[in-house]
Amino acid sequence: DVKVTQSSRYLVKRTGEKVFLECVQDMDHENMFWYRQDPGLGLRLIYFSYDVKMKEKGDIPEGYSVSREKKERFSLILESASTNQTSMYLCASSLSDTDTQYFGPGTRLTVL
Amino acid sequence: SQQGEEDPQALSIQEGENATMNCSYKTSINNLQWYRQNSGRGLVHLILIRSNEREKHSGRLRVTLDTSKKSSSLLITASRAADTASYFCAVQNTGGFKTIFGAGTRLFVKA
Repeated sequence: DVKVTQSSRYLVKRTGEKVFLECVQDMDHENMFWYRQDPGLGLRLIYFSYDVKMKEKGDIPEGYSVSREKKERFSLILESASTNQTSMYLCASSLSDTDTQYFGPGTRLTVL
Repeated sequence: SQQGEEDPQALSIQEGENATMNCSYKTSINNLQWYRQNSGRGLVHLILIRSNEREKHSGRLRVTLDTSKKSSSLLITASRAADTASYFCAVQNTGGFKTIFGAGTRLFVKA
């Protein structure tokens, strides 16, 4: 079974802090994704990566950056956290472009 | 505007009844997927249906795809309280890389 893990289930940070969310997958998947989920808005894609050191902006990349130094790990970085970044963050991976995405359990981030 | 829009937004049924959720989209697709999310958790993949398929089954789940109407439906038969969750459709457009998720249908199954 594919396993996607995220570093924290719950996180509370202060405005202006730099925040790192880590995601690790154990199935040698090429593609990895970061989404945020807000009530009534569904999942919105922040960034995705189709290979090591490769990244592409999703629909809402502003205020975020990513890092993929190793195939199994995809990090989401909030350079200076703001209250409007309070959300549920979901990481996913997939083997190929047209394949199922496997999701981690999510990190619920609160920015005070 | 958003692809993969689910209908209804919320659905409440009795255990044993069938639940039907619909999804509409706007452009040509490679595939359409249905996911389930229990409260506060990550999404779990249920079924993937490709653009050249019309129907797929998995246990108590039945998914149909009508590309002429740009719509899909998810049917859960003989629902159980444990089916209470949010259900999302997600479409992958042709020529695109991204999979776009809808806002979901919240299903409540009363015991």
